[in-house]
Amino acid sequence: QSVLTQPPSVSGAPGQRVTISCTGSRSNIGAGYDVNWYQQVPGTAPKFLISSNTHRPSGVSGRFSASRSDTSASLTITGLQAEDEAFYSCQSYDNSLSHWVFGGGTKLTVL
Amino acid sequence: QVQLVQSGAEVMKPGASVKVSCKTSGYTFTRHYMHWVRQVPGKGLEWMGIIYPSGGSTTYAQKFRGRVTMTRDTSTNTVYMEWGSLSSDDTAVFYCGRDSNDVGYYGSGSPSGSIDYWGQGTLITVSS
Repeated sequence: QSVLTQPPSVSGAPGQRVTISCTGSRSNIGAGYDVNWYQQVPGTAPKFLISSNTHRPSGVSGRFSASRSDTSASLTITGLQAEDEAFYSCQSYDNSLSHWVFGGGTKLTVL
Repeated sequence: QVQLVQSGAEVMKPGASVKVSCKTSGYTFTRHYMHWVRQVPGKGLEWMGIIYPSGGSTTYAQKFRGRVTMTRDTSTNTVYMEWGSLSSDDTAVFYCGRDSNDVGYYGSGSPSGSIDYWGQGTLITVSS
C-alpha cells in the first residue's frame, strides 16, 4: 500500500486534457514538501517531468503542469498526444517515515 | 553530459547477495546525492535509499533497512547498492538516480528529492 495514492489508470483522446491525482496526508504533501512527477515508458527508466514548485526541466513540454492543494497534488497534461502514453508517478517526502516515497503509479492511455 | 551507467542484468540464487554499480560522469560526483529506486515487474517505483557521495552517509527506507547497503568509490565516481538475502520475490529492476540539487563543495545544501538523471536500470532475477 503506497503512502501516496494514485488512480491505477486514466485515459483521454488526442488533444484532450487529463489530470492525474496524487493523494497524500499531513505527513507528506500536506506538510508542504515538494511533489515531483515522473514519466515512464514501459521498458525504460523514469524521466523527471515537473515538481509542484513548477520547476520543469528544459526539454519537458509546457503541456505538463503541476499543482497542489492541502494533502493532494495533480499533474495535468493538455493537448494530449500519442507519445504521452506512459506511466506517471508522484513522489514526495514523508516526515513520519523520514524518507521519500512514490505513489503507486498511473497508466495513461491515449485513446 | 551527465551519464549514469549501471552494471548489467544478473540471475541470482535465493539466499545470495547482489551488488549493483552505477558509474557516473559529466558532473562533480561529490556534489549530488544519489538515490536508489526499486521496481518490481508490473509494479510502481519504490524509493530504497540515498547516499551522499562525499561523506558516504546513507538513509534507507524502513522497508529495506537491514537488507540494503549503499556505498561509493570517489576514485571512480561510482556508487554501489548491495541487496542481500535474496528470495524469489526480489526479482526487480533497480535504478540509480541523481538528486537534482547541487549541495556545493562543502555539502552545505540538502538533497531535493527530485531525480533529474537516471541510470538505465539493472534487472536482478532471483531463481533457483
